[in-house]
Amino acid sequence: DAKTTQPTSMDCAEGRAANLPCNHSTISGNEYVYWYRQIHSQGPQYIIHGLKNNETNEMASLIITEDRKSSTLILPHATLRDTAVYYCIVRVTGGYQKVTFGIGTKLQVIP
Amino acid sequence: DAGVTQSPTHLIKTRGQHVTLRCSPISGHKSVSWYQQVLGQGPQFIFQYYEKEERGRGNFPDRFSARQFPNYSSELNVNALLLGDSALYLCASSLDPGTDLNGYTFGSGTRLTVV
Repeated sequence: DAKTTQPTSMDCAEGRAANLPCNHSTISGNEYVYWYRQIHSQGPQYIIHGLKNNETNEMASLIITEDRKSSTLILPHATLRDTAVYYCIVRVTGGYQKVTFGIGTKLQVIP
Repeated sequence: DAGVTQSPTHLIKTRGQHVTLRCSPISGHKSVSWYQQVLGQGPQFIFQYYEKEERGRGNFPDRFSARQFPNYSSELNVNALLLGDSALYLCASSLDPGTDLNGYTFGSGTRLTVV
């Protein structure tokens, strides 16, 4: 899996968009960008993933730069329940589950 | 449908003891993986099991072992506990080892404290 770099922590005002960046400059052509989040004392929860096109689902949007060396997870209207650690993971699809989680970004949503 | 269930939710053990953690996957899922998450760090892969066979192993000592049962539930065993084994142990289930990462479901984990 390619190495990823994320800020250690970020704050966001409730109701505003939260933009979480991730650098993955060594990403290979067949590697996807996945985002997970982990709310305190719970297991990681899948959010979204993409290869090179921008993706959107009911939880978030994923913007991947054209050179694919970085991406941004966007939570359009952050709520207090979005306070969590967000992990950016780069890997190929399928394969056995030796997933590499980094330290992630601790997002604090402020009232 | 029940999600991934892990038991117990918390436990405290003494150094040198043995511990067994349990995981029941989502109904229909045949693959189970175990992760260790030390405070302040991301989860680290320990094992993956599928159809009762080990399919992958992370960089953990032989004190860590696991098995999977015919009903696809799994146990993680840790012998000769060290203080450094204190962590949240997470179980993730999926249909099979080839499932894409977005098809994984994690349990809420077992919080192990070694004193």
